[in-house]
Amino acid sequence: QSALTQPPSASGSPGRSVTISCTGTSSDVGASEYVSWYQQHPGKAPKLIIFEVNKRPSGVPDRFSGSKSGNTASLTVSGLQAEDEADYYCSSRGGNVFGTGTKVTVL
Amino acid sequence: EVQLVESGGGLVQPGGSLRLSCTASGLTFTTNWINWVRQAPGKGPEWVAAMGPDEDQKGYVDSVRGRFIISRDNAKNSLYLQMDSLRVDDTGIYYCARDQGYFTFDHWGQGTLVTVSP
Repeated sequence: QSALTQPPSASGSPGRSVTISCTGTSSDVGASEYVSWYQQHPGKAPKLIIFEVNKRPSGVPDRFSGSKSGNTASLTVSGLQAEDEADYYCSSRGGNVFGTGTKVTVL
Repeated sequence: EVQLVESGGGLVQPGGSLRLSCTASGLTFTTNWINWVRQAPGKGPEWVAAMGPDEDQKGYVDSVRGRFIISRDNAKNSLYLQMDSLRVDDTGIYYCARDQGYFTFDHWGQGTLVTVSP
């Protein structure tokens, strides 16, 4: 099973929004309502920020939102803050696969 | 509060073996799916293996099947990953993570580094 495809980098100014895509196939993202997103700061373990496409775990700010259309899922970070600078990974059941990762830079 | 703590990583030559441990507090392995997820330097996470509430419930990624074995000691609330015939591409940080359901990992340990190098 191949990793899900994400853009290597994305950036935005503080207060603006950034959207990250996660492209899979009809066997994983396209077939699953179980798409998750993780935030990872340097030297730290991944942290779950979105599950089941658009649900947020307790404690995750509503600035983080998720969506899916066909074989592509998306994560939007609104009102960018300095602490949002991190690597972001998607994952999907139906393949048990993670994404290639996107480094978000806050300009 | 759930805590997962990994140990056992280190430097090993190709063909060698290591045994990783994951000890939990705040949850019990007999009622959860616990996974090993690894991350090579500069790469995304990769699911490696999992064990369910029943010890017969096990799964492995194709690249480690036959070389790695996942096991558990319920009395110690500990999960293990016996890694044999290690290869250079097994290098990475190995995390223990709880699957809350449907390949969604809500609790992670801090990870233990495995380096396979001549």
